Amino acid sequence: KNEVEQSPQNLTAQEGEFITINCSYSVGISALHWLQQHPGGGIVSLFMLSSGKKKHGRLIATINIQEKHSSLHITASHPRDSAVYICAVRSTSGTYKYIFGTGTRLKVLA
Amino acid sequence: SQTIHQWPATLVQPVGSPLSLECTVEGTSNPNLYWYRQAAGRGLQLLFYSVGIGQISSEVPQNLSASRPQDRQFILSSKKLLLSDSGFYLCAWSRRDSYNEQFFGPGTRLTVL
Repeated sequence: KNEVEQSPQNLTAQEGEFITINCSYSVGISALHWLQQHPGGGIVSLFMLSSGKKKHGRLIATINIQEKHSSLHITASHPRDSAVYICAVRSTSGTYKYIFGTGTRLKVLA
Repeated sequence: SQTIHQWPATLVQPVGSPLSLECTVEGTSNPNLYWYRQAAGRGLQLLFYSVGIGQISSEVPQNLSASRPQDRQFILSSKKLLLSDSGFYLCAWSRRDSYNEQFFGPGTRLTVL
């Protein structure tokens, strides 16, 4: 079992829909990072969370440390949101490495 | 502000040829630096990371090597490329703090023929 699990693996939505992507982890963490990888390959940092909730435009990220779970929400989805969304955690094991989730491939149809 | 550069953006090389990919970071000092590879349709695999000049940690045995000749320069090399070295190579940097938020470069798409 992976230490960081994402669901769903693939998601197709209609433009305007509310989207939720989930990330669960089994290790102690100091921070969780949501990343977006565009079809061309470039990776953009969306949020870094250690507690609570963050919002940027139509994107909202939440984390529940006790339940070891984070969600990324997209409101009023748009075709330009189509990308792979990756959850990555920095464990408290003392290394600088990320543990990556498997990624969620989102396609938003016009 | 900080920026990270990678070059070249794309590269097509024959099997057995050497490789050198370069990554540089601007606007910060003493960064942690990382090389990742992403095979087609797969997730990110950490290849090497560095916490300082000349300090390289290798994550997986492979045909590649890394060097950090300067504080903000990270180089990925191979003496002889294999077909299996094809993929998308990403460099990233992070500050040395508890959050370790990593910022990624634009990547190099390598095709070995």
